[in-house]
Amino acid sequence: GAVVSQHPSRVICKSGTSVKIECRSLDFQATTMFWYRQFPKQSLMLMATSNEGSKATYEQGVEKDKFLINHASLTLSTLTVTSAHPEDSSFYICSAPLQARAFFGQGTRLTVV
Amino acid sequence: GENVEQHPSTLSVQEGDSAVIKCTYSDSASNYFPWYKQELGKGPQLIIDIRSNVGEKKDQRIAVTLNKTAKHFSLHITETQPEDSAVYFCAASNRGIGGATNKLIFGTGTLLAVQP
Repeated sequence: GAVVSQHPSRVICKSGTSVKIECRSLDFQATTMFWYRQFPKQSLMLMATSNEGSKATYEQGVEKDKFLINHASLTLSTLTVTSAHPEDSSFYICSAPLQARAFFGQGTRLTVV
Repeated sequence: GENVEQHPSTLSVQEGDSAVIKCTYSDSASNYFPWYKQELGKGPQLIIDIRSNVGEKKDQRIAVTLNKTAKHFSLHITETQPEDSAVYFCAASNRGIGGATNKLIFGTGTLLAVQP
């Protein structure tokens, strides 16, 4: 399958700071990427759809000013958690589609202290 | 919108036995049903998928069946091994014309434990 690389895999930050997570499609181009959030022992919840060259589409209840998404190229989407708080601690996962299949990154464990 | 239910939430089997996980979906327009395996601390890995124009698909020890009328689909793992232990998620989406990518709606997950 296709390779989607996510970085960093783990990050700890202080409350009030911002954290950027990168999602790269390594061997294919993706005009669309998806960002998910997963709490312990729960399913993946779609946060937003990242569109190359245009604004992201956010799911209901997701604050677009808090979770900034930039899809600046066909192989890179970034998610920035701004002014992070402990309740933002979670597992963030991106996915990119190839040939109508969705391939996921390895996830980023964010801990806000 | 689409809603996907998954059962059971936990499943424990003996090594060598079969495991079956079932999902139901609500949107009759859904036409793509992937299954993902997620190991602890990792992202989901696509293990098999099925499209609505077929009723069954098999890949070695893994098979998926789809009943469009009843709007349910199942994952079957035969000859289970300890390394099959993980959380399994089903998902559904409505693939647009030309295979356009639409968002996946995930089930709630099944924690499979294969006892050696």
